[in-house]
Amino acid sequence: NAGVMQNPRHLVRRRGQEARLRCSPMKGHSHVYWYRQLPEEGLKFMVYLQKENIIDESGMPKERFSAEFPKEGPSILRIQQVVRGDSAAYFCASSPSGQAPEYGQYFGPGTRLTVT
Amino acid sequence: AQSVTQLGSHVSVSEGALVLLRCNYSSSVPPYLFWYVQYPNQGLQLLLKYTTGATLVKGINGFEAEFKKSETSFHLTKPSAHMSDAAEYFCAVSGRGAAGNKLTFGGGTRVLVKP
Repeated sequence: NAGVMQNPRHLVRRRGQEARLRCSPMKGHSHVYWYRQLPEEGLKFMVYLQKENIIDESGMPKERFSAEFPKEGPSILRIQQVVRGDSAAYFCASSPSGQAPEYGQYFGPGTRLTVT
Repeated sequence: AQSVTQLGSHVSVSEGALVLLRCNYSSSVPPYLFWYVQYPNQGLQLLLKYTTGATLVKGINGFEAEFKKSETSFHLTKPSAHMSDAAEYFCAVSGRGAAGNKLTFGGGTRVLVKP
């Protein structure tokens, strides 16, 4: 049973470019969460999605960041016009249902974004 | 609002010694509590969780944690450290129901194991 898949594992972008991070949840999981880990900081919640719905985006920066989880295919975290401060590790997690606390969240290996 | 405080950003232990990582939380509702471990350049792996019931929770790799409501603590312990325990450990809290779909993490504790 494959775990949470994220790609790419490493992504280098120049300032002003767009970054697209992909996340495929574990088989049977329909809930996806994105977290960001800035250097020397802990993980911060960004957004919680179900298929075709954003449930909670309270942790998303107001500008340049967006997320989707289409009916088919992986969840995408999109960062437009990246800046150096976006350099971080971005983790995706999934859970089997809305009762996430009962099951815990299962994390992918992360995408390490470097903005030059 | 919820918050998690992990005392000590770095802990050094000798191989075979007790590992004790401290976690205190703040929550206005009965919380769910988690410990995750992160090895270098990897994702987070769930070590153990407290949801309801027994307050002493056993996890993988010989770790356990005890939920103490009166102290708002969820400290992680392992009786005997192994070299493979060198990693960063994160304590996390979530609420229940709709509020449970967001983990709030502590700042992490990096564990160094000395031979």
